[in-house]
Amino acid sequence: GESVGLHLPTLSVQEGDNSIINCAYSNSASDYFIWYKQESGKGPQFIIDIRSNMDKRQGQRVTVLLNKTVKHLSLQIAATQPGDSAVYFCAERNPGTYKYIFGTGTRLKVLA
Amino acid sequence: DGGITQSPKYLFRKEGQNVTLSCEQNLNHDAMYWYRQDPGQGLRLIYYSQIVNDFQKGDIAEGYSVSREKKESFPLTVTSAQKNPTAFYLCASSLGGASYGYTFGSGTRLTVV
Repeated sequence: GESVGLHLPTLSVQEGDNSIINCAYSNSASDYFIWYKQESGKGPQFIIDIRSNMDKRQGQRVTVLLNKTVKHLSLQIAATQPGDSAVYFCAERNPGTYKYIFGTGTRLKVLA
Repeated sequence: DGGITQSPKYLFRKEGQNVTLSCEQNLNHDAMYWYRQDPGQGLRLIYYSQIVNDFQKGDIAEGYSVSREKKESFPLTVTSAQKNPTAFYLCASSLGGASYGYTFGSGTRLTVV
């Protein structure tokens, strides 16, 4: 498998429990944020996004929370399943630029 | 199904060789990107292209080259000038630059032998 998950912080959760993955972003002017899921040997997949004028956004089993005061983003996964095991990372967009800044990621391990 | 395809999945390069990584998309996206992914690091931008026949250097362009002759294709050449090319390379595309999130390919793992 890919080695991109080496040296990453790891979160281990029991199947069925809720998971919370955190991300500290760098630029207070960033206006759009995305969470990606990356399984071993695959490219990142979009999970959920949120704009800076929102504090919370919900999807199917996932919720993203944005705290602009402390530049913090979190991803909550409800009823975590074995298929949720992957590396999760956030991305922030600087307004008016072409660039996203990507976090290093957190490895989520779901224990049976 | 629309998507973005990278090939090959695994690539081995000898010292001093140039190799080209393929990236093709049928999403009708204008913008395409190449990122490098190393263990414990966030994605780093190599090159990007907002429109056909135009491209710009990203943060780590040295030792790499690209072309954008067709909207669907954005190949990346890793030249012998890239001293540490072993990495996982990801191609991405988007509708309109940074206005939208990216669709990523499945990646190419390049190893120097």
